[in-house]
Amino acid sequence: AIQLTQSPSSLAASVGDRVTITCRASQGISSALAWYQQKPGKTPKVLIYDASTLESGVPSRFSGSGSGTDFTLTISSLQPEDFATYFCQQFNAYPRSFGQGTKLEIK
Amino acid sequence: QVLLVESGGGLVQPGGSLRLSCAASGFTFSDYYMTWIRQAPGKGLEWVSCISNSGSYIHYADSVRGRFTISRDNAKNSLLLQMNSLRADDTAVYYCARGDWIFQQWGQGTLVSVSS
Repeated sequence: AIQLTQSPSSLAASVGDRVTITCRASQGISSALAWYQQKPGKTPKVLIYDASTLESGVPSRFSGSGSGTDFTLTISSLQPEDFATYFCQQFNAYPRSFGQGTKLEIK
Repeated sequence: QVLLVESGGGLVQPGGSLRLSCAASGFTFSDYYMTWIRQAPGKGLEWVSCISNSGSYIHYADSVRGRFTISRDNAKNSLLLQMNSLRADDTAVYYCARGDWIFQQWGQGTLVSVSS
């Protein structure tokens, strides 16, 4: 099974900051990676798929990059509504898998 | 609009069984793969199982293979998860989600608690 490791596990940042979250796969997954945002008490929301394609309706301050085993999610200028937990997920192989999550908190 | 509504969760003793259901509406259910994903309290997301639109192809996480069975009834727009030999570490909110590669629509979840 493919394991996804996110770093950091938690991150404190301020409004306006540029933030980068990393997801590393235990084996190559091409560009078969998605990023989700989850707020407390809510279901996850797709932000990015195919490693770098922005989901419809998602603000352009979110971007994704990478292929193979190393991927990043970047938020160019943090907004108050961006404080949440972020997960990566691979869809290259079964079983599908998620990273353990990165909690983004207000500094 | 797409609506997924899970039911069937509850408190069960270790070793017991539960059957979860997901009622789908707002889309052509038989056109889509469907997936179960779970989230333990305060923890991350864990992919559990998926089933193809026809029901011919099924996959499971290693953690549930041999204990859980996914199925669907396209005539009733319903997704099912039969969970046997439940363990404490199966405690989680169980979500059904539309799709197989990315999950753009989720139900609200149903809580399964395994405890004596």
